[in-house]
Amino acid sequence: DGGITQSPKYLFRKEGQNVTLSCEQNLNHDAMYWYRQDPGQGLRLIYYSQIVNDFQKGDIAEGYSVSREKKESFPLTVTSAQKNPTAFYLCASSTSAGVSYNEQFFGPGTRLTVL
Amino acid sequence: AQSVAQPEDQVNVAEGNPLTVKCTYSVSGNPYLFWYVQYPNRGLQFLLKYITGDNLVKGSYGFEAEFNKSQTSFHLKKPSALVSDSALYFCAVRDIRNFNKFYFGSGTKLNVKP
Repeated sequence: DGGITQSPKYLFRKEGQNVTLSCEQNLNHDAMYWYRQDPGQGLRLIYYSQIVNDFQKGDIAEGYSVSREKKESFPLTVTSAQKNPTAFYLCASSTSAGVSYNEQFFGPGTRLTVL
Repeated sequence: AQSVAQPEDQVNVAEGNPLTVKCTYSVSGNPYLFWYVQYPNRGLQFLLKYITGDNLVKGSYGFEAEFNKSQTSFHLKKPSALVSDSALYFCAVRDIRNFNKFYFGSGTKLNVKP
C-alpha cells in the first residue's frame, strides 16, 4: 500500500533531551512537510522540503531541525531549545510544484509529551 | 498573503439534517482550495478540492463544497449528516507563489447528534 508512515505513535521526552520523529513515504512525492498541531490552533508549518538535500523553514522552525538525505525520508528532530514541544506532529507529502493542483497526503501523526 | 479562515470553532447538527462548515479565503490570483477531515489522534484525510471549473465540487463520503468567487468562500456541505461525520474539519489553500506551501484554517469541530 502507498502512503506515509510516522513513528513512533507516542513519544515521551525528558526536558533537555533531543528526540527524532520518523517520517517515511512511498508515494514518490518530491515535497515533504512537518506540521505541529496544538488544540484550537490548527496546523502550523515547521519545515518543508521540495527536493532531496534541500529544506526551508516554516513559520515555527525554532527549536527544530530536519534532514532530507533520501526522497522517501524526512526526519524531524525536536531539540532541547524547543521550549514547549508537547504537541501532535504531522508529516505530509505532495507532488512537486509542477503539479500544483494536487493535495497533501498525511501520516497518522506522533504525539510527543514532555515529562 | 494567502490565507483561509474558518469562522466557526464548532458546528452542531442533528443526524439526518444538512450540514455546512464554512470557509473563506484570501488569495491573490486563482485559489487552489482543499478540505480535509481529521478523526481523533489521526492524520488528516483529503475530502475534496477546487482547482477550476464547476463551482460545486463533489468529494468523498458524500461531501461536497461550493466555491463562490464573489463571496470568497468555499463552504463544505452534506445533504444528510451522519453521527460518524463527527470530526475536525480543515480548509486549506495552496500558495500560488510557492506551490509547495499550504495554509490551513484553524479547524471546525463538527458534532452530529443522534
